[in-house]
Amino acid sequence: QSALTQPPSASGSPGQSVTISCTGTSSDVGGYNYVSWYQQHPGKAPKLMIYEVTKRPSGVPDRFSGSKSGNTASLTVSGLQAEDEADYYCSSYAGSDSVVFGGGTKLTVL
Amino acid sequence: EVQLVESGGGLVQAGRSLRVSCTASGFNFGDYAMSWLRQAPGKGLEWVGFIKSRTYGATTEYAASVEGRFTISRDDSKSIAYLQLNSLKTEDTAVYYCGRVPRPNKYYFNYWGRGTLVTVSS
Repeated sequence: QSALTQPPSASGSPGQSVTISCTGTSSDVGGYNYVSWYQQHPGKAPKLMIYEVTKRPSGVPDRFSGSKSGNTASLTVSGLQAEDEADYYCSSYAGSDSVVFGGGTKLTVL
Repeated sequence: EVQLVESGGGLVQAGRSLRVSCTASGFNFGDYAMSWLRQAPGKGLEWVGFIKSRTYGATTEYAASVEGRFTISRDDSKSIAYLQLNSLKTEDTAVYYCGRVPRPNKYYFNYWGRGTLVTVSS
């Protein structure tokens, strides 16, 4: 499977909103509602932020939201805070019990 | 509290083998599918493979990049998942993470360990 496509970087000022895109195909993102998003701070393990396109695990602030249109999923971070600065990865089910990740987006809070 | 602790990483020569482990605590390990994922230095995340729970036959699935070289197994009596890495290549150098799949037929990972570094030298 080919990796999903994410922009390498994104940025916003505190309090602003930023959206990160994740583009796949009809065989992964577009074909299933199994898109998830992970946050990773330097040197740390990834943390699940969004699953099944729009759902937030307990403890994840509602500033984080997910959506999908066709073959592109998006993560929106509203009310940006300094601690949101991290790398963000999308992933999707890709059929036949396989998972594919995006290349990651470095979010900078200006 | 759910905890996953990877161990067994280290420096190994290309072509050789290594086994890494993921020791779980804080939940009934046997009820959950487990996955291995990796991250090469400075690179993104890559899914390596799954092992389902024994209820679902403990079947395994692998990414094409490791199929035939890596094997995932589990010992439910010890709450450990294993990743056997054979015929290692320099491009297998990465931090290897284990992740817990929250429910059957779900394709995301709600708990991760801190990872173990495998370095393959030429």
